[in-house]
Amino acid sequence: QSALTQPPSASGSPGQSVTISCTGTSSDVGGYNYVSWYQQHPGKAPKVMIYEVSKRPSGVPDRFSGSKSGNTASLTVSGLQAEDEADYHCSSYAGSNNLVFGGGTKLTVL
Amino acid sequence: QVQFVQSGAEVKKPGASVKVSCKASGYTFTDYTIHWVRQAPGQRLEWMGWINVGNGNTKYSQNFQGRVTITRDTSASTAYMELSSLRSEDTAVYYCARHRGSEYMDVWGTGTTVTVSS
Repeated sequence: QSALTQPPSASGSPGQSVTISCTGTSSDVGGYNYVSWYQQHPGKAPKVMIYEVSKRPSGVPDRFSGSKSGNTASLTVSGLQAEDEADYHCSSYAGSNNLVFGGGTKLTVL
Repeated sequence: QVQFVQSGAEVKKPGASVKVSCKASGYTFTDYTIHWVRQAPGQRLEWMGWINVGNGNTKYSQNFQGRVTITRDTSASTAYMELSSLRSEDTAVYYCARHRGSEYMDVWGTGTTVTVSS
């Protein structure tokens, strides 16, 4: 199973919006609406921010949103705040009870 | 609240095996599948496999097939991940995480650092 493709880095100033992409294939991202996004601060465990492409778990700010077009999913963080600086990982169901993660994107708040 | 407490850091020699534990609390252990995910230093998350805690069925990533074994002890509310034939590339933090029906993980363990070095 090949990893999903994410840009290694992204950045934005406080208050701005930034979008992180996650590209897979028709066998994973494009084939199922089971894309999730995780935020990970240094030395900490990941935390789910988005599931089923665009749903937010309770407690996640609505500044975080998700979408998908074809084989590419996206996470948008609006109104960037200092605490949003972290690594973001996408994940997708890949059929036959398999999961696959992306390479991770380091988000820097300038 | 729901939480997973994992076993402590391990240092192993190449060729050895390691068994990491993940003790659950705060929910009915047998109601949820548990995943194992690892992260090498500075690297991406890598899914290793899962166990249906209720019936013991497992699924392993092709990348670890033959080297990983996931088990559980329902009486102790604990899941285990054993990785054999360790090599330096297996140096990583290993996490357990609870599966939700929409194919995501809602609660993650504390992580266990495994270092493989001669």
